[in-house]
Amino acid sequence: GIQVEQSPPDLILQEGANSTLRCNFSDSVNNLQWFHQNPWGQLINLFYIPSGTKQNGRLSATTVATERYSLLYISSSQTTDSGVYFCAVKVSDSWGKLQFGAGTQVVVTP
Amino acid sequence: NAGVTQTPKFRVLKTGQSMTLLCAQDMNHEYMYWYRQDPGMGLRLIHYSVGEGTTAKGEVPDGYNVSRLKKQNFLLGLESAAPSQTSVYFCASTGDRVSSGANVLTFGAGSRLTVL
Repeated sequence: GIQVEQSPPDLILQEGANSTLRCNFSDSVNNLQWFHQNPWGQLINLFYIPSGTKQNGRLSATTVATERYSLLYISSSQTTDSGVYFCAVKVSDSWGKLQFGAGTQVVVTP
Repeated sequence: NAGVTQTPKFRVLKTGQSMTLLCAQDMNHEYMYWYRQDPGMGLRLIHYSVGEGTTAKGEVPDGYNVSRLKKQNFLLGLESAAPSQTSVYFCASTGDRVSSGANVLTFGAGSRLTVL
């Protein structure tokens, strides 16, 4: 099956700092999503981004499908950005099965 | 619009007991999923369904069964619970169809299961 690798596994940021999270995948995908899991366990979709670039406030994401990676940018981080960030992908010739990476644990300190 | 609702939110079982987790969505989504989340291991797909009456195995299906008798409901069953099934279980749904890659995965709030 497809391999999904996220880096770094852990990240500690001071409030106001910028950061980049990476998601590498081993096969062609037609669905890539980024999620944030807050400290209470709730999983919220951030982006649906199988290719191209999107921005939502202080967050933005870029997927280069031909090179099989996606990046999530957090700018001017806030303590509310703490949590785990996951990327999930679906292989182009599969139906239904979304595969998750292991996640990046982000802690933003005041 | 409730989205994806999981019941129960918490449950403690003894080894060998059985139980069913219920997932209900009100978005008319075709695809539904059950994931488990264990510390340091991310989310692993247990079973999924691409429509009413259909189910398929994910990465870690052993010890679980599922049913999708109605489009809005996806049930996860444990016939004989084991301590290794202690985990947080998440249900999710999406309107994704076979021929397209669109639509966003929506998660329920999770169900924490402890097997003693």
